[in-house]
Amino acid sequence: QKEVEQNSGPLSVPEGAIASLNCTYSDRVSQSFFWYRQYSGKSPELIMSIYSNGDKEDGRFTAQLNKASQYVSLLIRDSQPSDSATYLCAVRGLDGTASKLTFGTGTRLQVTL
Amino acid sequence: DAGVTQSPTHLIKTRGQQVTLRCSPKSGHDTVSWYQQALGQGPQFIFQYYEEEERQRGNFPDRFSGHQFPNYSSELNVNALLLGDSALYLCASSLVRGGGYTFGSGTRLTVV
Repeated sequence: QKEVEQNSGPLSVPEGAIASLNCTYSDRVSQSFFWYRQYSGKSPELIMSIYSNGDKEDGRFTAQLNKASQYVSLLIRDSQPSDSATYLCAVRGLDGTASKLTFGTGTRLQVTL
Repeated sequence: DAGVTQSPTHLIKTRGQQVTLRCSPKSGHDTVSWYQQALGQGPQFIFQYYEEEERQRGNFPDRFSGHQFPNYSSELNVNALLLGDSALYLCASSLVRGGGYTFGSGTRLTVV
């Protein structure tokens, strides 16, 4: 079992719709969770972090965490063509210091006109 | 406030050669991590440096080595290059106490 799993996609949503991206992780003691956006040929860019169960909202983005189900998701409201990118889920373990981030393979999102 | 800078941006090397990639962390950050990202894959952790020491290492052979300098900048060295080493190499900086990583723009290494 992979440590961090994501559906590779592509996930295609029409402009203005809600895009829902999902991620599961295997290490039950994981503490910190991150979503990165990566445009083709570019480096990952941090868009959301979440540490506690529940929802965290930032503009059009909402991250949701359920530690009991070992599940983290990212919702993008009012999707725009500029949101078309690969979204990487990353997880950090029990060590609260800067231990490594483990990444999933990413979900490619396509926002269609 | 300067972000993470990496050099060079692109590099072409021949099999068997050695390469050195460089990274300057974001101002105020003290920890540097290196990742390898193959096409269509997520970043794979190579190793992390803090206080000039390797703190953690991923599943990479000893051909991959690194260094961190007193000013927190870092180098990644790869010896005896293989075709499979062709990838985007990402440097990320952070604070040792936690938080997210800030990535540099990466070095695209092509081994021919």
